Formats: sequence, C-alpha cells, structure tokens
Amino acid sequence: DAMVIQNPRYQVTQFGKPVTLSCSQTLNHNVMYWYQQKSSQAPKLLFHYYDKDFNNEADTPDNFQSRRPNTSFCFLDIRSPGLGDAAMYLCATSRMTGGTEAFFGQGTRLTVV
Amino acid sequence: GQNIDQPTEMTATEGAIVQINCTYQTSGFNGLFWYQQHAGEAPTFLSYNVLDGLEEKGRFSSFLSRSKGYSYLLLKELQMKDSASYLCALYHSGNTPLVFGKGTRLSVIA
Repeated sequence: DAMVIQNPRYQVTQFGKPVTLSCSQTLNHNVMYWYQQKSSQAPKLLFHYYDKDFNNEADTPDNFQSRRPNTSFCFLDIRSPGLGDAAMYLCATSRMTGGTEAFFGQGTRLTVV
Repeated sequence: GQNIDQPTEMTATEGAIVQINCTYQTSGFNGLFWYQQHAGEAPTFLSYNVLDGLEEKGRFSSFLSRSKGYSYLLLKELQMKDSASYLCALYHSGNTPLVFGKGTRLSVIA
C-alpha cells in the first residue's frame, strides 16, 4: 500500500500560470520534505516541515511556496512557473529529522509549456 | 557546511561485483543512507549506517568510516535490473534534513 502519495504523477502547466502539487502520507510522520530533481541531477531540497514549523532552504526561489494544513497533507505551490522549473518534484516523509529513513512518493513530473 | 561526493557514472558487467564510493565533509554526522533510483521513479531505501563497519543485506552491503568521512555501497552478483542511480545521502547533525549527493549512474552490461 502506498504510504506517500503524490498527485498528479504528471502535470503540464503554462508558463506563468500558478500550479499546485499535492502530497499525502499515511505514516503519521512529523517531517515532510519537498525536493526538486532535474534530469541526471540529485534531488535538491526546497524546504521541509517539522510538524507545523516551516524550514526554507536559503537558495529556494521565492516563486516556490508550501503549505501543510495538517499532518497528512503538504502542498507545493509554484506561483509563476518558468521553463527552468520543469523537473520531477519529490515529496518525502520521515518520523524525525536526523537518523531516520525518508520515504518517498512516486513524484510529480512537471512540464512547463 | 556540507559536501558529498560520488562518481558520476560507472559501468559493470552482469554477475560481477561493483563498489560505489561516497565521501563527505560535515560539521556533524547523524547517519548515512544509500538510495536506489531508477529512471523516472522515486528513490527507494537501500541501507543506513550510523556506526563504523559493514552492514550486509542480501546482495547489497554498505560500509561506513566516520573518521575518514567515507562510505561505499557494494553490489554483488549484478543483475541488469541493478542499472540505476545510487544516491548517497546524510543527516548532518541535530534536526537537519536529509541531503543528497549527486548520485552515481550505474550501467550493468551483459
């Protein structure tokens, strides 16, 4: 059974049109992460939540925002997608930060046209 | 600060053994992970090391030396399905998120 679920698997959006990617988890984990992964590159951490505490990476563009309305759900909002934002977006969860396994969703592949 | 280094690509023959190295620099250390990622799919967990030594799990083993900032993933009896990227990732210290290296793309050939 899927434990970290991302919807949709594939998303096509227009240049400049806001888009939201969603992630849900059934693990009741405290931490949820959003990573951006471009072709042949490592996943790059955008931000993470520890419970309701939001932690933004210093080099994450302002164009990217996130919401975590409850333990189970987390959203990635891209306010004005550019061509350079086309990537795979991975959601992951872990029970704690530090020393605990991260579980990944299947990812959402975003195409910007 | 943080820095994680892995070779970009490796090629090995079906049935052989391959070792994928990972070196890191960190001001703290709280565990190192290896993930496997097939093209277009999410990373899946392979192994976790927090103490020095070798952890064996079937065909896969992972080794850690904290004093040297070094880990390796050893894959035995390679199969074609092992062709994937292998990502080294670690927690630095305290309540820090999981950070990935660039990954090593392994190609298994007949």
